[in-house]
Amino acid sequence: DTGVSQNPRHKITKRGQNVTFRCDPISEHNRLYWYRQTLGQGPEFLTYFQNEAQLEKSRLLSDRFSAERPKGSFSTLEIQRTEQGDSAMYLCAAGKGGSSYEQYFGPGTRLTVT
Amino acid sequence: AQSVTQLGSHVSVSEGALVLLRCNYSSSVPPYLFWYVQYPNQGLQLLLKYTTGATLVKGINGFEAEFKKSETSFHLTKPSAHMSDAAEYFCAVTDLTSGNQFYFGTGTSLTVIP
Repeated sequence: DTGVSQNPRHKITKRGQNVTFRCDPISEHNRLYWYRQTLGQGPEFLTYFQNEAQLEKSRLLSDRFSAERPKGSFSTLEIQRTEQGDSAMYLCAAGKGGSSYEQYFGPGTRLTVT
Repeated sequence: AQSVTQLGSHVSVSEGALVLLRCNYSSSVPPYLFWYVQYPNQGLQLLLKYTTGATLVKGINGFEAEFKKSETSFHLTKPSAHMSDAAEYFCAVTDLTSGNQFYFGTGTSLTVIP
């Protein structure tokens, strides 16, 4: 158990709908990352938070994607106007600050857009 | 930009045989390197990491990897494969200039034959 939980675990939505995913790390993890993983590929970086500040965002991230981490605890990832190409596993990872670059991954949320 | 290449998307070994999973990276500055394992329907689990210091690093479950700067490699090995090692393995790289972005390879699926 990495201490990182994600909800929901599965989400099926129709094209054009908005979806929101949640990630809950343990309190010591001030770093938080979101990744997208499609079949046969490695995780693709989406965005990074240090505490509540969003410090990095992938250039590949569409304007339809937004992430927040209010109060530096849990984080949400919202996708607006979903497209079939958004179907993927969305992974959250968290870690401590400082020189430790270890990331602890949650189980992921599998999104299917029909 | 950093990148990771994992040679061989599928590797099969016999139980008890040596496991060798290859990872080559590109980075213009000293890299931080990681190996993760992903079991079916589970999140990624950190196997081992290299940041600084000893170039041969040992991880969980009997795995180890050696950082070879001259070869830009970080291959993962285990002397004797066990059935429970069957999983997907991902190599990842980051460095101090990446702004906390991690770059993952496309993964290697390991099959262990009894």
